[in-house]
Amino acid sequence: QVQLVESGGGLVKPGGSLRLSCAASGFTFSDYYMSWIRQAPGKGLEWVSYISSSGSTIYYADSVKGRFTISRDNAKNSLYLQMNSLRAEDTAVYYCARVPIYSGQFDYWGQGTLVTVSS
Amino acid sequence: EIVLTQSPDFQSVTPKEKVTITCRASQSIGSSLHWYQQKPDQSPKLLIKYASQSISGVPSRFSGSGSGTDFTLTINSLEAEDAAAYYCHQSSSLPLTFGGGTKVEIK
Repeated sequence: QVQLVESGGGLVKPGGSLRLSCAASGFTFSDYYMSWIRQAPGKGLEWVSYISSSGSTIYYADSVKGRFTISRDNAKNSLYLQMNSLRAEDTAVYYCARVPIYSGQFDYWGQGTLVTVSS
Repeated sequence: EIVLTQSPDFQSVTPKEKVTITCRASQSIGSSLHWYQQKPDQSPKLLIKYASQSISGVPSRFSGSGSGTDFTLTINSLEAEDAAAYYCHQSSSLPLTFGGGTKVEIK
């Protein structure tokens, strides 16, 4: 069965960095686009970033552009999000989600990892 | 940026009632509209893709309709397990956006 397991969250000071990982299993990882979506405590969902199956096409939300970097390692079935210059408003649960090629829906989500930015 | 406006924000419903949630897009998005259910302390789950296409494993009481700018998620005969937040999401153009969510409470 499809599994997406995020890790790497934690408490970090403003201006700090963190790297999130998403381990995928149960499907051919290299056949799918992937995305990061976040949810601030008690708030709605916000799309963060997207990467194509090969990693050649990448998009970011304006709120993270220039600070976050998405990447993937298809040999390791893993998705990453390098987060630099973190701000209090980046505090959220970060989900990785799968996107079927040539489709737009997020068909599977991980359980999420909490990132807290606070001094 | 395409803004998705969901209504209502909150609905308290009796079991077996019909629930209707609407999602209005700030510009036409064709059928590139998807619905998700998020139960407390869980990650979102895909309910409906491309406005009206059903998802394997999702109960048939969930259905979607609409195109262009106006979309509807309908839950026929609400069950206690349907207590959750529901979100619409558009994939027509970047940035990808979500509606603000509708919380459904069981009376």
